[in-house]
Amino acid sequence: DTEVTQTPKHLVMGMTNKKSLKCEQHMGHRAMYWYKQKAKKPPELMFVYSYEKLSINESVPSRFSPECPNSSLLNLHLHALQPEDSALYLCASSQLAGLAKNIQYFGAGTRLSVL
Amino acid sequence: DAKTTQPPSMDCAEGRAANLPCNHSTISGNEYVYWYRQIHSQGPQYIIHGLKNNETNEMASLIITEDRKSSTLILPHATLRDTAVYYCIVRLKMDSNYQLIWGAGTKLIIKP
Repeated sequence: DTEVTQTPKHLVMGMTNKKSLKCEQHMGHRAMYWYKQKAKKPPELMFVYSYEKLSINESVPSRFSPECPNSSLLNLHLHALQPEDSALYLCASSQLAGLAKNIQYFGAGTRLSVL
Repeated sequence: DAKTTQPPSMDCAEGRAANLPCNHSTISGNEYVYWYRQIHSQGPQYIIHGLKNNETNEMASLIITEDRKSSTLILPHATLRDTAVYYCIVRLKMDSNYQLIWGAGTKLIIKP
């Protein structure tokens, strides 16, 4: 099973709302990732968690707040977003972030629209 | 940073081999080449990866030139379901983590 599950699939929110994106994997992976993808562009790395600890933050604005409650779950808390934050948000997981062979498995993504 | 260059789009007839090129002229000796694809409205799907030698799996073959400055992904018998954006990626080690540096992607359209 190489499934990464993301919920919700679609989300519409206002600029004053608070919402959360959820990601779950049951492959025993100890590294999890959040990516942002704008239309017709490749994914851009936002955060990396390794053993439930934040190891990379790619200078993401504080209105995006990641959380890794346990090794299977990854959340992305959203607050006071801007319309330009509308995008597809992808979650991925891999065995370990520091492995030489590091296959990342992606979820289907959450398509976010900020009004 | 090593970067990749891909043609923006390609067509291929159904049943024929699809050959997708990628240039990565600044790649370092310990950096892997990965290929992922993304079918419309889905998350990226891992295809194959390699370092120096050619690689083959159930999905595709990866041919890497001897100087490692370019590679070709081969889908041996393309089907309509192979229509997708194909990303050539170099994996870099940054601190204790490995990160994927994505190319702009090639939109491959398989025609009946």
